[in-house]
Amino acid sequence: DTAVSQTPKYLVTQMGNDKSIKCEQNLGHDTMYWYKQDSKKFLKIMFSYNNKELIINETVPNRFSPKSPDKAHLNLHINSLELGDSAVYFCASSATGEGYTFGSGTRLTVV
Amino acid sequence: AQSVTQLDSQVPVFEEAPVELRCNYSSSVSVYLFWYVQYPNQGLQLLLKYLSGSTLVESINGFEAEFNKSQTSFHLRKPSVHISDTAEYFCAVLGYGGSQGNLIFGKGTKLSVKP
Repeated sequence: DTAVSQTPKYLVTQMGNDKSIKCEQNLGHDTMYWYKQDSKKFLKIMFSYNNKELIINETVPNRFSPKSPDKAHLNLHINSLELGDSAVYFCASSATGEGYTFGSGTRLTVV
Repeated sequence: AQSVTQLDSQVPVFEEAPVELRCNYSSSVSVYLFWYVQYPNQGLQLLLKYLSGSTLVESINGFEAEFNKSQTSFHLRKPSVHISDTAEYFCAVLGYGGSQGNLIFGKGTKLSVKP
């Protein structure tokens, strides 16, 4: 049983398109996250979300928006994709005071 | 706010040699500390963590890390590495107390084990 699963694993799309990445966790965690890993492997938090609060990293363009239909899901919607959005996106979840459990990542390539 | 510095971007070693991957952190609040490993083209796996108690923590595959509060360090060590340890290693810090922050990562250290 995969604890944090995200789909798709690979996503190739053209500039200007709108795309979504889905994430689901079966750990019963209260908080979920999206991280971006750039070409230099640097990991940067984009969003954190629990059922009460969405915290957005102020450097994230507003073309990126998280959507949470319920506690176990946090999807990432990206509008008007740009070349610079190419990266690996990781979903994660956590319980208070614990480490984060990460999904296997979605490699997004914008052409 | 917290920050993490991994002092070495790349560490090449020969198989069966010892290795140390260095990590220093900065924080105005108390912290939990973590090491994650990322094998080529894979996701992030938790290697070990320090939450409280003994400052020396160990993983199931022979890695260990020691929390040193006075030096604000959490270095990762292994006495004898294997080819299969080749991966990117990330140190991470999570502040707590007051409003909880998010997990902040260092820039990673690429460990390359050569035969």
